[in-house]
Amino acid sequence: AQRVTQPEKLLSVFKGAPVELKCNYSYSGSPELFWYVQYSRQRLQLLLRHISRESIKGFTADLNKGETSFHLKKPFAQEEDSAMYYCAACGRLAFGKGNQVVVIP
Amino acid sequence: NAGVTQTPKFRVLKTGQSMTLLCAQDMNHEYMYWYRQDPGMGLRLIHYSVGEGTTAKGEVPDGYNVSRLKKQNFLLGLESAAPSQTSVYFCASRPLIDVSYQEQFFGPGTRLTVL
Repeated sequence: AQRVTQPEKLLSVFKGAPVELKCNYSYSGSPELFWYVQYSRQRLQLLLRHISRESIKGFTADLNKGETSFHLKKPFAQEEDSAMYYCAACGRLAFGKGNQVVVIP
Repeated sequence: NAGVTQTPKFRVLKTGQSMTLLCAQDMNHEYMYWYRQDPGMGLRLIHYSVGEGTTAKGEVPDGYNVSRLKKQNFLLGLESAAPSQTSVYFCASRPLIDVSYQEQFFGPGTRLTVL
C-alpha cells in the first residue's frame, strides 16, 4: 500500500528564512505526488504537483526517486506561508499527517 | 460554479444519534471522497466513490456509511455517533481524466462534535 511520511509536525521559521518540509513515500511503480496547503479555516487546495515541475508562491518540490522523497522548499519564508501542508501520493490519495508551518515575523 | 459544497458546516450530536453529511459538486466529477481530519493524524480516507452508484471503503470506514445515488452528491452517514467521531470532515472530488492530473477539489469542511 502507498504510504506518505511527513516526519515533522510543527515547523517554526523566521520570516525570510528558508523553509523545507520533508516528505517520503513508499509506492510501487511511478508515483504521482502532490503538496496541498490549508490556510487557517480554509479548505485544502493544491499547491504543487511533481509532474508540473512548477514554482508556486515561491515553493518548489523535486521528486527524488532514489531517496523516495518529495521535499517542499522555499528560500525565503513569508508570514502568509503560515499554514498546514500535506504531502500526498496518487491514485486514491494517501496523505501524510501534515506539517504545521508557523512563520515568525 | 460553486465547486464542492458541504452541509452542514457545524453540528453537535449526542452519543447514539444519527446524521447525514451532504457533499455536492457541480463540476461533473466522477470521483468523490470523504476524509476526516484529526490533530496529529492528518487526513484519513473514510469512503470513496468512482462513479454514480458505486462506493468503496477507505482507510477508516468503520461507523460510517455512504451513498452515491446521484453523480453530483455523496452522502456520509453516521448511524450511531460516538465521541471518537468528533472531527472535521472534508469531501473532495476529481474528474476522470488523464491520470497525471489527479488534483482533488475539496469542500470547506464540516465540524462535527459528538458529546
